[in-house]
Order: sequence, then structure tokens, then C-alpha cells
Amino acid sequence: ELKVEQNPLFLSMQEGKNYTIYCNYSTTSDRLYWYRQDPGKSLESLFVLLSNGAVKQEGRLMASLDTKARLSTLHITAAVHDLSATYFCAVAGFGNEKLTFGTGTRLTIIP
Amino acid sequence: KAGVTQTPRYLIKTRGQQVTLSCSPISGHRSVSWYQQTPGQGLQFLFEYFSETQRNKGNFPGRFSGRQFSNSRSEMNVSTLELGDSALYLCASSLDRGEDEQYFGPGTRLTVT
Repeated sequence: ELKVEQNPLFLSMQEGKNYTIYCNYSTTSDRLYWYRQDPGKSLESLFVLLSNGAVKQEGRLMASLDTKARLSTLHITAAVHDLSATYFCAVAGFGNEKLTFGTGTRLTIIP
Repeated sequence: KAGVTQTPRYLIKTRGQQVTLSCSPISGHRSVSWYQQTPGQGLQFLFEYFSETQRNKGNFPGRFSGRQFSNSRSEMNVSTLELGDSALYLCASSLDRGEDEQYFGPGTRLTVT
């Protein structure tokens, strides 16, 4: 059974600082997703990572995937208040659409 | 291009009742998945439909069921509601080409009293 571990669960950081969220998964997969969720809202797709070594960047967020280590990271550069949200990684079962989600990281950016 | 729509957005039901939730995927998307989100259990996969067939099912009791219509719209039904069924129910759609994003709808917030 695929298991996804995400850490940290909570992250409070100052504006302008850098930090990384980690996502480990237990079995082979062909896709890894990162989502953002604001309070009371649905999930907003951030990145889809498909292959080993994949790196994607959007603004202050950068995601990478190491399939050999079964590890993905979401790096936040020079954080701003607007990035405050809960971030989830999700791993697709190999060859199917079922997503197994991590526990989420609640990120709070302090001015 | 319209996104994933879910109706109703909010619902209050009493224990023992049943409920039906609806999801309309993005036009052209054939795969529809359902997820339950609760503070205690997080996001959990319920089931996935493709071309009117259930392809995957999560670990939920038989009270949870679903179906998909020929136009790819999907419904999920929960019978004999329990307090623990209170949750945000999210629907996601994708093209199902194995590399595609899954787009989530706004969700239906179900409260069971």
C-alpha cells in the first residue's frame, strides 16, 4: 500500500526567508503532484512532476522529484505573506488516477 | 474553459438520512475521482470513474457509492449517514492520459447532525 509522508506538519517562517517542505513516498509511482489549499477552499494545482530529476518553478515556489529516493521537495524562496496556505503532496498509483495525499504542511508567513 | 463544478456546495443532513452529491468535470475530461477531506483523516480517496465504470475504490464502507453518466458527470451517494461522514467532499477530473493534472472542484461541505 502506497504511503506518503510529508514534513513538517506546521511551518512558521518570516517573510524573506527560504524553506523546504519534504514529501517521501513508499512505492514506485509515475506522478507526483503538489497542491495548495487556502482555508475553506478547494485544492489548487501547483506542479505535476513526472520523471526522475524533474524540476518545476513558478514564482517563489520550486518543486523537484527524485524517484530513486522516492522524495520530492517544495522549496520556497524569499517567502511572502501571500504564500500562507496548506500545501499537500500527492502521489499517483502507478498507472492509475488514484492519489494518495500527504498530511499537508500548514505554512504561515509572518511579516 | 469552465472548471470542475460541484453541487450543492453546502448540505446539512441528519443521521440516518442519505445524500447525493454531483460533480461535472471539465469538458472533455473522462476520469472523475472523489475524495473525502476531514481534519482527522486528511484527504482520502473514495473512488474513480472512467467511461461510466468504477476503476478504483478506496477503503470506505458500502454506504458510499457512486456512478458516472455518459456525459462524464458523476454522482456519489452516501446512505445511512453517520456523524463521522461530516466532511468536505472533493471531486477531481482529468483527461486520463497518464501525465495529466487532476483538477479539483470547489467541494461540497456536508454536515451531519
